[in-house]
Amino acid sequence: AQKVTQAQTEISVVEKEDVTLDCVYETRDTTYYLFWYKQPPSGELVFLIRRNSFDEQNEISGRYSWNFQKSTSSFNFTITASQVVDSAVYFCALSEAFMEYGNKLVFGAGTILRVKS
Amino acid sequence: DSGVTQTPKHLITATGQRVTLRCSPRSGDLSVYWYQQSLDQGLQFLIQYYNGEERAKGNILERFSAQQFPDLHSELNLSSLELGDSALYFCASSVGVATEAFFGQGTRLTVV
Repeated sequence: AQKVTQAQTEISVVEKEDVTLDCVYETRDTTYYLFWYKQPPSGELVFLIRRNSFDEQNEISGRYSWNFQKSTSSFNFTITASQVVDSAVYFCALSEAFMEYGNKLVFGAGTILRVKS
Repeated sequence: DSGVTQTPKHLITATGQRVTLRCSPRSGDLSVYWYQQSLDQGLQFLIQYYNGEERAKGNILERFSAQQFPDLHSELNLSSLELGDSALYFCASSVGVATEAFFGQGTRLTVV
């Protein structure tokens, strides 16, 4: 069975600090996809990134970066120079591949990030 | 704006009642997914439709049902509502395999 663990329930940082959100996953599939979503206080789920299991290159998008390590089944998310607007709940998710019609997501419990000014 | 539209945004109803949640996917997306977010269960996959046909089922109660219409919009029907059904219900859509799913703003259902 697939499982996603986000061990950090809540993190508080001061603006401009860097923060890393941890994500550990379990799957028996050799091909799978990993995602991060952001849920701001307004409630919607915002897609941040998708990574397939064959691509272990780290990715950087502005202040966001992702570190995918298959050896440790981790897909961690780092926000550099955090801002108050980064305050949200962040979800890591996993989906199995080779579903012809799309992928259902297994979500972690989420990490609440509070950035204080 | 993700391009996925859900209506209504808020719904308050009494126990035992039936409600219908509506979702319009992004233009061109054939897959529609329904998820439930509650405090105790977190985000859980309910059901997926692709081009009008049911393709995957998750932890969906028998009191719940869904369908996808020829114009690709989808409806989630919740009946014999209980207090525990109070949750945020999300619809998401994707083009198909190996693509990310984009979520609507959700429908917050409160059962009183």
